[in-house]
Amino acid sequence: GAGVSQSPSNKVTEKGKDVELRCDPISGHTALYWYRQSLGQGLEFLIYFQGNSAPDKSGLPSDRFSAERTGGSVSTLTIQRTQQEDSAVYLCASSYPGVDTQYFGPGTRLTVL
Amino acid sequence: AQSVTQPDIHITVSEGASLELRCNYSYGATPYLFWYVQSPGQGLQLLLKYFSGDTLVQGIKGFEAEFKRSQSSFNLRKPSVHWSDAAEYFCAVDATSGTYKYIFGTGTRLKVLA
Repeated sequence: GAGVSQSPSNKVTEKGKDVELRCDPISGHTALYWYRQSLGQGLEFLIYFQGNSAPDKSGLPSDRFSAERTGGSVSTLTIQRTQQEDSAVYLCASSYPGVDTQYFGPGTRLTVL
Repeated sequence: AQSVTQPDIHITVSEGASLELRCNYSYGATPYLFWYVQSPGQGLQLLLKYFSGDTLVQGIKGFEAEFKRSQSSFNLRKPSVHWSDAAEYFCAVDATSGTYKYIFGTGTRLKVLA
């Protein structure tokens, strides 16, 4: 079946602009995660959605970052007033609820000039 | 706080040679452990996972990993490396704080010499 998809695959933006990154999870997966992979760093947890529960936003680095998940499926990560340090690969993952394997999308490479 | 350490940033091996990638974790209980592989321009693919039971787990592509509680380690091994194994490998721990957030190591980049 189809895996996790993310769009766009690459995004180049100017400092100060807002960007939206999209994630389509695997059908039936109620848990959805966003991670950030910066150059030379590991993957950093950003936010977690599980069903209709309030999301765990504990990993968001600043209030410029926000995410929503509409209809329990597609998720959008928004970065407002982008900064150069926001340049990274943003990865989305989904899973069934409970302790289970997370399946990752190919990521969106964000470059802030 | 939980942490995952991959002490080797880069490893180079010859094709056909054996491979061991190290992973150490800091966690109060037996965690759920994972190894993922990331090829250039690709997302992360799960190689194998350990939740409980037999401490030697088999994964895809001929990889295996052994959980050693006494050493807080979960090293990844392959007896004979293929050129296509060149990639970046990430060890991850399930933080199990109620939200299943993974804590990732910083990765080991594997180069395979022909």
